[in-house]
Amino acid sequence: GAGVSQSPSNKVTEKGKDVELRCDPISGHTALYWYRQSLGQGLEFLIYFQGNSAPDKSGLPSDRFSAERTGGSVSTLTIQRTQQEDSAVYLCASSLVSSGRTEQYFGPGTRLTVT
Amino acid sequence: DAKTTQPNSMESNEEEPVHLPCNHSTISGTDYIHWYRQLPSQGPEYVIHGLTSNVNNRMASLAIAEDRKSSTLILHRATLRDAAVYYCILRDGGGSQGNLIFGKGTKLSVKP
Repeated sequence: GAGVSQSPSNKVTEKGKDVELRCDPISGHTALYWYRQSLGQGLEFLIYFQGNSAPDKSGLPSDRFSAERTGGSVSTLTIQRTQQEDSAVYLCASSLVSSGRTEQYFGPGTRLTVT
Repeated sequence: DAKTTQPNSMESNEEEPVHLPCNHSTISGTDYIHWYRQLPSQGPEYVIHGLTSNVNNRMASLAIAEDRKSSTLILHRATLRDAAVYYCILRDGGGSQGNLIFGKGTKLSVKP
């Protein structure tokens, strides 16, 4: 079946502009996660959604970052007034439910470059 | 989340077995042991997970110590495509555990 997809695959933007990154999770997966990976760095959790519950936003680095998930499926990560330190690969993952018993499946990522 | 400890790097020869160790001495009774890997320029990929018993799937085997304080990911015949960073992560199966917490992992190099 179809895996997690993300778009765009690459995004170059000027400092100060807003960007939107999209994630389509695996059909039927109720949990959706956003992570980011800066060049040469580890994977950093940003936010996750589980069903209709309030999202866990504890990993968002600043209030310029926000995310929504419409209809329990597609999610959009928005970065306002981008800064150069926002340059990273943004990864989306989904899982059947949000539990330690289940595995997460990752998309290919969106490489964001802020110039 | 309980912490895991992995070697920074390992080397293997192609077509030989690889044993990737992970220590997790503070593991709790409801923690599942998960392994993911990240190939160069790709997103992480799920490999395997288990709770107490050893697990096998098409990608690898997971051997869990009897006291669960350590585990080993076994790649039975390494290929060049297995060169990646391997992450051992504990996840609480007792509640609605959310995100994965990635450490530095083990960078596996495979020599032809």
